[in-house]
Amino acid sequence: QVQLVQSGAEVKKPGASVKVSCKASGYTFITYGLSWVRQAPGQGLEWMGWISAYNGNTNYAQKFQGRVTMTRDTSTSTAYMELMSLRSDDTAVYYCASERELTGTVAFVYWGQGTLVTVSS
Amino acid sequence: DIQMTQSPSSLSASVGDRVTFTCRASQNINTYLNWYQQKPGKAPSLLISAASSLQSGVPSRFSGSGSGTDFTLTISSLQPEDFATYYCQQSYSTPRSFGQGTKLEIK
Repeated sequence: QVQLVQSGAEVKKPGASVKVSCKASGYTFITYGLSWVRQAPGQGLEWMGWISAYNGNTNYAQKFQGRVTMTRDTSTSTAYMELMSLRSDDTAVYYCASERELTGTVAFVYWGQGTLVTVSS
Repeated sequence: DIQMTQSPSSLSASVGDRVTFTCRASQNINTYLNWYQQKPGKAPSLLISAASSLQSGVPSRFSGSGSGTDFTLTISSLQPEDFATYYCQQSYSTPRSFGQGTKLEIK
């Protein structure tokens, strides 16, 4: 069965960087891209961007351009999301999600368990 | 960018009630509309894709409809496990976007 397992919770100081991992199993990693979605405490879901597991191409939300880097390691079937220059409003749960083609659409079918990143001085 | 707007933001209902949530897109997205359910402390879970296609394992009391800019999610007879937050999401274009969610609470 498809699983996306993320790295553990992080506490960072303002201005620092954080790198979250997402290890995929149960399917051929390079077949599908991965998106990152975050959720601030008590708030909704925010799409941050996408990476092709096949060739590493990325598509970042404008809001995060210049501050986020998404990479992948095909040898370990792991995707990474690094967010730099952290601010307190970056405190959120960060999810990786696998978008799949379904009849008539594409949708986030599989999700990681989430990684809480807390930014605090 | 496509903005997604859900209403209401919260809803109180009782077990057995029929409830309907609304999602509106800022431009035509055909049926590139998905619905997710999220319970506290858990990742979202896909309920309905392409506006009306129920995912495998999702109870038939859930249904979705709509196309273009206006969409609805209906639960025909609420069960205790349905109390959660529901999000719509467009997959018509990037950046992908979600509605702000509708929190369904027990009356």
